[in-house]
Amino acid sequence: DTAVSQTPKYLVTQMGNDKSIKCEQNLGHDTMYWYKQDSKKFLKIMFSYNNKELIINETVPNRFSPKSPDKAHLNLHINSLELGDSAVYFCASSQATPGSGYTFGSGTRLTVV
Amino acid sequence: DAKTTQPTSMDCAEGRAANLPCNHSTISGNEYVYWYRQIHSQGPQYIIHGLKNNETNEMASLIITEDRKSSTLILPHATLRDTAVYYCIVSRGLTGANNLFFGTGTRLTVIP
Repeated sequence: DTAVSQTPKYLVTQMGNDKSIKCEQNLGHDTMYWYKQDSKKFLKIMFSYNNKELIINETVPNRFSPKSPDKAHLNLHINSLELGDSAVYFCASSQATPGSGYTFGSGTRLTVV
Repeated sequence: DAKTTQPTSMDCAEGRAANLPCNHSTISGNEYVYWYRQIHSQGPQYIIHGLKNNETNEMASLIITEDRKSSTLILPHATLRDTAVYYCIVSRGLTGANNLFFGTGTRLTVIP
């Protein structure tokens, strides 16, 4: 079983559209994250979320919003997509204890045309 | 923001030990050292982490200097599948703020 799974794996869409990327983890972790990896391969954290708090990287536009229906899911909604949103988005999860490692999903390649 | 410095790239002969250095001179007492790797745009993969003591697992060994200002990740017998970008990260790993900030990493190429 895949520990952290993301869907879809690839997403091609037009500018201005609204899209969602789903993430599910079956590890029983209580904290989930979204990262963005741009064309220069820099991995940047976007959000971290557990059932108590959402921490947002201040550089993330408010067009991006995480939504968590339950502890095992953290979906990423993106409104009014722009060309610069094209990137690979990675979901991850961890246990909220010091020293816990992260488990990453395999990524969603988003292309905005 | 990343608080580590790593060489941009390294080569290693297949079957030899790969030693990847990392400087983290501003590390604080409650920060862990984590190592992750990313193979060709796959999701980053956790390798190992440590606080003060040296650590070893089935993938690698982590040597942390006594002053904790630097560390070395050791892959004892590098294979072609170990070719990847290796990230050294320091983090407090606190509840709800386990945020890992990735730097540019070291691109390790294992040569046949």
